[in-house]
Amino acid sequence: GQNIDQPTEMTATEGAIVQINCTYQTSGFNGLFWYQQHAGEAPTFLSYNVLDGLEEKGRFSSFLSRSKGYSYLLLKELQMKDSASYLCAVRVGDSNYQLIWGAGTKLIIKP
Amino acid sequence: DGGITQSPKYLFRKEGQNVTLSCEQNLNHDAMYWYRQDPGQGLRLIYYSQIVNDFQKGDIAEGYSVSREKKESFPLTVTSAQKNPTAFYLCASSIERNEKLFFGSGTQLSVL
Repeated sequence: GQNIDQPTEMTATEGAIVQINCTYQTSGFNGLFWYQQHAGEAPTFLSYNVLDGLEEKGRFSSFLSRSKGYSYLLLKELQMKDSASYLCAVRVGDSNYQLIWGAGTKLIIKP
Repeated sequence: DGGITQSPKYLFRKEGQNVTLSCEQNLNHDAMYWYRQDPGQGLRLIYYSQIVNDFQKGDIAEGYSVSREKKESFPLTVTSAQKNPTAFYLCASSIERNEKLFFGSGTQLSVL
């Protein structure tokens, strides 16, 4: 079967660093996406990894290990506005209709 | 500014009623998608369309219908056959079938 696991909820402190993990067991792999979703709003694209390694984009970085079926999203210098859900999605074919989505990790930032 | 507009933000359905959720994009994207989001679950694909006048069922199409008569528009009808319609519905588009998704701000559908 196809499965993506993320922690349900995490709490971190403003100004700190947090790592959100995503593990996957899928029948194929053609890229992993991270999206951010504030409550009741549209998910917005954060990152895309298809090769192993770390992709850095400002305060956000994303890492992929295909051999381990593992990715993480690293958020630095946390701000209150980073309180949101973070969705991990794996594309198992060559089209977006072949995306498998995790349930999302709700990140709570405390002052 | 370009984007995807979903309306209404909140919608209530009575028993036996069909309701239609609107999705309009001005991004000139070919591909459009409808997802259902339930608490504690990942997004699930209802329908997708890769080009005007063509659409395909996703993983949970039963009780739903769509049309794609214009490139900009991809409305979703939740029919009375959908017995558990309460959910947050998200419309998305992509410039091509394998590019990142752009999402609308969603419609929360509830049953009266």
